[in-house]
Amino acid sequence: EDQVTQSPEALRLQEGESSSLNCSYTVSGLRGLFWYRQDPGKGPEFLFTLYSAGEEKEKERLKATLTKKESFLHITAPKPEDSATYLCAVRYGGSQGNLIFGKGTKLSVKP
Amino acid sequence: KAGVTQTPRYLIKTRGQQVTLSCSPISGHRSVSWYQQTPGQGLQFLFEYFSETQRNKGNFPGRFSGRQFSNSRSEMNVSTLELGDSALYLCASSRDGAFDGANVLTFGAGSRLTVL
Repeated sequence: EDQVTQSPEALRLQEGESSSLNCSYTVSGLRGLFWYRQDPGKGPEFLFTLYSAGEEKEKERLKATLTKKESFLHITAPKPEDSATYLCAVRYGGSQGNLIFGKGTKLSVKP
Repeated sequence: KAGVTQTPRYLIKTRGQQVTLSCSPISGHRSVSWYQQTPGQGLQFLFEYFSETQRNKGNFPGRFSGRQFSNSRSEMNVSTLELGDSALYLCASSRDGAFDGANVLTFGAGSRLTVL
């Protein structure tokens, strides 16, 4: 069965304490892996797209990496404003394709 | 540049009623896709409309339907509401198909539906 699993479900960090979020997937024909950030009461906001194993993307304190089975979102020296739910989504499959979202990791960064 | 606009933002209905939600995409975007977000199931794909035609459909009952107008604005309708339909309904627009290659989805803020 095609699946996208994110871990942990929730993560509490102190400001400045670096960590990583995981998104593992079991799909056939990966066409792209997307990371989104969602703040309470808002829709998801696009962060990164990764297409092939070994690819890395960076934006401020965030760095996304991709292997053949999983992606990591590394957060370096997080600040309270990084608190949000981080979603990954996998686009895969043949001509019409498909899109599955993970359930997200809720990140809280305390000052 | 205006973003994706969803209306209404909040609504309360009772079981058995129906509801219509609206989504105005970013200008120039031809695809509008709809998603249901709940704490237990996360974000689940409902359907996609592209140039007024339903292009993809998720695994939801026929009570969930939608349409797209010539100006790319889209509506989704849920008939005979059940308690389990309480959720945040999100729409996203993209220039090309929601499932196509490099396309990035731009989401609206959502419509929060509560069914009593």
